[in-house]
Amino acid sequence: KAGVTQTPRYLIKTRGQQVTLSCSPISGHRSVSWYQQTPGQGLQFLFEYFSETQRNKGNFPGRFSGRQFSNSRSEMNVSTLELGDSALYLCASSFDQEETQYFGPGTRLLVL
Amino acid sequence: QKEVEQDPGPLSVPEGAIVSLNCTYSNSAFQYFMWYRQYSRKGPELLMYTYSSGNKEDGRFTAQVDKSSKYISLFIRDSQPSDSATYLCAMIITGGGNKLTFGTGTQLKVEL
Repeated sequence: KAGVTQTPRYLIKTRGQQVTLSCSPISGHRSVSWYQQTPGQGLQFLFEYFSETQRNKGNFPGRFSGRQFSNSRSEMNVSTLELGDSALYLCASSFDQEETQYFGPGTRLLVL
Repeated sequence: QKEVEQDPGPLSVPEGAIVSLNCTYSNSAFQYFMWYRQYSRKGPELLMYTYSSGNKEDGRFTAQVDKSSKYISLFIRDSQPSDSATYLCAMIITGGGNKLTFGTGTQLKVEL
């Protein structure tokens, strides 16, 4: 069974731009969660989608948004990029809540 | 104070040593506990998943949970250089969906 895939793997943007990251979960998984990983803050929860609905949200500003499609694929969007948004963005999928979550390889975003 | 505390290390041990990695947490609502391993520039990989106090063994890995002390551990027996990675503890609140709260991660180096 194929694992979680994320595209693109690397991205360079400038301040003020926006970016869209994509995540394809493991086949059959209905829950997709997004995390931000930085050296200073570690891994922090952004949000979770289940059956196209946001089920849970972390403490990030409204510039961070996401959505999930009917095939469970998910995208996250960051608008008006700031230097501090430079991070590894990780997507994790699971069958349902409180089930094992499997992570993708991440998208490394650099904001200049 | 962070909800989950984990010594960041680095921890350096000789090959074949028994490694002990630990996390403490403050919120008694955490009921599900995981250990992930993350190699440099990769996504986290699930090692162990437990939800009850006591020990769970899988090969060279043993996860231990003590809910009364709010303390979890991961033991690695016969450590190998390939075990060199960052180890992250993570936990979920029952009814909290799939929001994983992570420790900062402990960087482990197993030397020949």
